[in-house]
Amino acid sequence: NAGVTQTPKFQVLKTGQSMTLQCAQDMNHNSMYWYRQDPGMGLRLIYYSASEGTTDKGEVPNGYNVSRLNKREFSLRLESAAPSQTSVYFCATSIGLAGFEQYFGPGTRLTVT
Amino acid sequence: TQLLEQSPQFLSIQEGENLTVYCNSSSVFSSLQWYRQEPGEGPVLLVTVVTGGEVKKLKRLTFQFGDARKDSSLHITAAQPGDTGLYLCAGASGSARQLTFGSGTQLTVLP
Repeated sequence: NAGVTQTPKFQVLKTGQSMTLQCAQDMNHNSMYWYRQDPGMGLRLIYYSASEGTTDKGEVPNGYNVSRLNKREFSLRLESAAPSQTSVYFCATSIGLAGFEQYFGPGTRLTVT
Repeated sequence: TQLLEQSPQFLSIQEGENLTVYCNSSSVFSSLQWYRQEPGEGPVLLVTVVTGGEVKKLKRLTFQFGDARKDSSLHITAAQPGDTGLYLCAGASGSARQLTFGSGTQLTVLP
C-alpha cells in the first residue's frame, strides 16, 4: 500500500502561473486535508474535506481552490501563484475529523519566483 | 482561533542528555497529539493523549497531558541521534472540525 501520495515533489513557478497539486490515498479514509508548512509556523490548514463531496475552508484559504474528485483524490489548485505561496505543501488523511490520527504525504516543495 | 505555543523552538543537545519540550495553550483540548517529522518527509504520529493528567510512555519518550487539558509535555531520556527531528503538537477540540498545530520544536541530537 502506498498510503498517501503527492505529485509533484518539487515545482518552480513564475508569479501569475497556475498549477494543481495532486493527492491520492489508498487508506479508504473519509477525511482529507491540505496544509502548508513555513519555517517557524508549523502546519497551517488551507482546506479540508470531511467526506467525498464536501470541502471547507481552513485557516489560510485565500489564493487556493480544492476539488475532492472522489474518495481517493483531493487536489489543490493555485490559480495565480504569488511569491507568498512559496512553501512546502502537505496532504493528509484521517478516518474522520479532529481527534483522529492524520497520515501525511511526503510533501510538495513549491517555489514561486 | 486556538493557538498552541511550543518551546523551545530549537534545541541542540549531546547524545545521552535528557530534554523536555512544552506545548501550551489558553484553550482546552479534548485530545492532544504529538508528531515527529524528519527532513523531506511528512509528520508521523507518536502518541495521542486524551485524559487530563494522562501520562504515556513510548520507550524513552514520556508524554504528559496537563490536568486542565491546556498543555502537554514531551520528555526524552538519554537522547540519541535518531531522535533528531521536528516535534509538533496538535490539539483537537469538540467545537473545531480540525487539528490546531503548534509551531514545532526542532531537536538536534549530536553524537
